[in-house]
Amino acid sequence: AQSVAQPEDQVNVAEGNPLTVKCTYSVSGNPYLFWYVQYPNRGLQFLLKYITGDNLVKGSYGFEAEFNKSQTSFHLKKPSALVSDSALYFCAVRDQAGTALIFGKGTTLSVSS
Amino acid sequence: GAVVSQHPSRVICKSGTSVKIECRSLDFQATTMFWYRQFPKQSLMLMATSNEGSKATYEQGVEKDKFLINHASLTLSTLTVTSAHPEDSSFYICSAQNPGQGTNSPLHFGNGTRLTVT
Repeated sequence: AQSVAQPEDQVNVAEGNPLTVKCTYSVSGNPYLFWYVQYPNRGLQFLLKYITGDNLVKGSYGFEAEFNKSQTSFHLKKPSALVSDSALYFCAVRDQAGTALIFGKGTTLSVSS
Repeated sequence: GAVVSQHPSRVICKSGTSVKIECRSLDFQATTMFWYRQFPKQSLMLMATSNEGSKATYEQGVEKDKFLINHASLTLSTLTVTSAHPEDSSFYICSAQNPGQGTNSPLHFGNGTRLTVT
C-alpha cells in the first residue's frame, strides 16, 4: 500500500529565510511524487512533480523539491520565503500512472514578516 | 491549461435532504475523475474513483448508497450525498487528469464544495 508522511503539522519561517517542508513516502513500485498547495476554502494547486530523471525538481512560484530514493523523501524547498507562501502544503504519491493520488496529512506553512 | 469546475462552492441543507455536487472538466475530456473528502485541518481522503459510463469504484469504508456517483459524460461527474446528516458536513473536492497531458500528469482539482448539514 502507498502512504505519505508529513511529520510536521506546522512550519514557521521568517520572510526571506529558506524553507523546507518535509515529506517521506512508501510505495511498492516506482514512486510518482507531487506537491500541492491549498489556500483556505479552495481546491489544490499543483506545484511540482517527480516522475523520473533529475532528483532536483523545480516548480511553480520558486519552489523546488529534492527526490532522495535512499531516504524515500521528497522535501519541498524554497530559498527565500514570502509571506504570500503561507498556506497548507500537501505531498502526494501514486505508484501507477493515471491513478488517484494518496495525500499526506498536510503541513501548514506560516511565513512571518 | 486544464480547468476543473466544481459547483456549488457552498451549500447548506437540512438533515435528511439530498445534495448534488457537480464536477466538470472544462477544456478536456476526463474518463476518470476522483472524489475526495477533507475534514477540518486534515488531509484529503479519497472517496471514490468515478469512471465514465460505468460504476464508480469506492474506497473501503465509503458507503456507496450514501454517496452516489454518476459519470454520465466525459466532462461531468456528480456526487450526490443522500439523506444527509450533520456528520456528512465536510469539504468535498473533485479532481481529474487531462489525458492529453500524459499519464503521469498531475491531477487538476476543483475549488471544492463546503457542505454544511443542519
